[in-house]
Amino acid sequence: GENVEQHPSTLSVQEGDSAVIKCTYSDSASNYFPWYKQELGKGPQLIIDIRSNVGEKKDQRIAVTLNKTAKHFSLHITETQPEDSAVYFCAASIRYGGATNKLIFGTGTLLAVQP
Amino acid sequence: DTAVSQTPKYLVTQMGNDKSIKCEQNLGHDTMYWYKQDSKKFLKIMFSYNNKELIINETVPNRFSPKSPDKAHLNLHINSLELGDSAVYFCASSHQTNNEQFFGPGTRLTVL
Repeated sequence: GENVEQHPSTLSVQEGDSAVIKCTYSDSASNYFPWYKQELGKGPQLIIDIRSNVGEKKDQRIAVTLNKTAKHFSLHITETQPEDSAVYFCAASIRYGGATNKLIFGTGTLLAVQP
Repeated sequence: DTAVSQTPKYLVTQMGNDKSIKCEQNLGHDTMYWYKQDSKKFLKIMFSYNNKELIINETVPNRFSPKSPDKAHLNLHINSLELGDSAVYFCASSHQTNNEQFFGPGTRLTVL
């Protein structure tokens, strides 16, 4: 069945250090991999995504890598700041019929950036 | 502001009651979703509508009935509420040709 595993479940880093969150997915048909940041009391916010025809994508301090062969993808945050503290979710998208897609979410990573 | 909005933000009710949550998006999207986030923060899709047509229904009890009066709105009605329905419910939207889903702020439902 469709499954996305995410590690670690909690991650504590010092301000300025890098943080890496890793996900694996089970369905080889998955072709879109977004990352969401959820702050306390708010909805998930799309921060970066990657599609299956690309191996790496970067946006300022955030980067994602994708290894389709191994079914792995990762989120890298450099020069972490206290405002990066949140729960981060990875997801894998599967086309469902011809008109929509379904996101399968990982179990989330609570990132705490210590000042 | 262009966004996905939900009402109410908080909903506290007794077991057995019927309640509704409303969602609206002004992003011009044609696909909308309902997700449930449980106490462990696990996010799971419940329903998806494309152009007012039900596309995804993920083994959700019949007590949950989504309704999409138009492409910009997707409401969720829940009958005979149970303790296990307590969760945060998120609405999201996307465009048919783009996988990017944008989430609303959530509705925290507490069933007593």
